[in-house]
Amino acid sequence: QKEVEQNSGPLSVPEGAIASLNCTYSDRGSQSFFWYRQYSGKSPELIMSIYSNGDKEDGRFTAQLNKASQYVSLLIRDSQPSDSATYLCAVASARQLTFGSGTQLTVLP
Amino acid sequence: ETGVTQTPRHLVMGMTNKKSLKCEQHLGHNAMYWYKQSAKKPLELMFVYSLEERVENNSVPSRFSPECPNSSHLFLHLHTLQPEDSALYLCASSQVASGSYEQYFGPGTRLTVT
Repeated sequence: QKEVEQNSGPLSVPEGAIASLNCTYSDRGSQSFFWYRQYSGKSPELIMSIYSNGDKEDGRFTAQLNKASQYVSLLIRDSQPSDSATYLCAVASARQLTFGSGTQLTVLP
Repeated sequence: ETGVTQTPRHLVMGMTNKKSLKCEQHLGHNAMYWYKQSAKKPLELMFVYSLEERVENNSVPSRFSPECPNSSHLFLHLHTLQPEDSALYLCASSQVASGSYEQYFGPGTRLTVT
């Protein structure tokens, strides 16, 4: 059974702080990793993809991948109240995605 | 229309009704998916149509029946549902290619079974 685990939260950070979201996965054969943002009552929106070890930056978002440790993280710098949402980690293998349960993030003004 | 669209956005049905959910993707993708999202649970993959091949989660009850007439359209036929089937049903699409598995979701159908 392929598993994706996320810190369940909820996570609260003050506006302007760095939010750190973590994810571990069980399938060592996984090759692609994604972060989705889901606002309450909305569908998931893809915000980051990462395929190789190391860091990938896109604006205020940085995804980090460590395949040896089977660990993926998402850092959100200069957090804004509009970043308040549930963040889903997804891991691809055999052409399918397995999702974690999500971490609910609240950014306090 | 752009991206992935789903209709209806909200559906209330009795346990004896038959209804269908529709999904259409305008991204030129070659794979489509149905997911179920229940409160406090991870997204559950129900069905995949990829390169004209269907893959299904064996735990999905037979009261859910998918149909994929072409690479742009996907349906989920519902009959004799149970109250525990109330959830958000999400359609997604992707371009199945070497090393690329990004999926893009539609807005979802909020289903309530009474």
